[in-house]
Amino acid sequence: NAGVMQNPRHLVRRRGQEARLRCSPMKGHSHVYWYRQLPEEGLKFMVYLQKENIIDESGMPKERFSAEFPKEGPSILRIQQVVRGDSAAYFCASSTGAGLAGNTIYFGEGSWLTVV
Amino acid sequence: AQKVTQAQTEISVVEKEDVTLDCVYETRDTTYYLFWYKQPPSGELVFLIRRNSFDEQNEISGRYSWNFQKSTSSFNFTITASQVVDSAVYFCALSLHGSGNTGKLIFGQGTTLQVKP
Repeated sequence: NAGVMQNPRHLVRRRGQEARLRCSPMKGHSHVYWYRQLPEEGLKFMVYLQKENIIDESGMPKERFSAEFPKEGPSILRIQQVVRGDSAAYFCASSTGAGLAGNTIYFGEGSWLTVV
Repeated sequence: AQKVTQAQTEISVVEKEDVTLDCVYETRDTTYYLFWYKQPPSGELVFLIRRNSFDEQNEISGRYSWNFQKSTSSFNFTITASQVVDSAVYFCALSLHGSGNTGKLIFGQGTTLQVKP
């Protein structure tokens, strides 16, 4: 998983504040995925992005959550008006593409959000 | 619908024992990949292996081996001569790659492996 950079590693927010999580994919990777790991649960897909495009957001909560992957800069997962239930580990992953070849998906070290 | 089941929630073994982590998947697609990831106590997700649906050869990497059987839709993971450093949560995952699929991973619930000295 070397190369997928996430920050911050740990973030504490009060209820109602905004949380922004950043992800820089591995060099040469143009596809980014965000996953959420709630306490004592497995990882759940949230969103899949390519540069400037959201390809699949079927796992994103309908409200307060948004993601982007601009032409320049990292991908950002934004959570507005956080609630205690948003407390989780958020993992970013990257790959070279969704085709048959070369689609090993590498993960970052995660960002742990705690809402107090 | 696609699904990955890791029936073993927790496994505890003594160092040097062999241990097998089970993974059963469900999909009607013929083109897919299977993965195993390790999540040590420090929290990061470490890639261990990727297997495509057309390659049923078993694989060995050091003390790790994987048994892929399409007939039973299983992709089991064996650690030989386990060590304390193997203590972690292990996730099995499935991704689809046929037309219209985006390659997102569908994870099992994970198996917590504790290796005692």
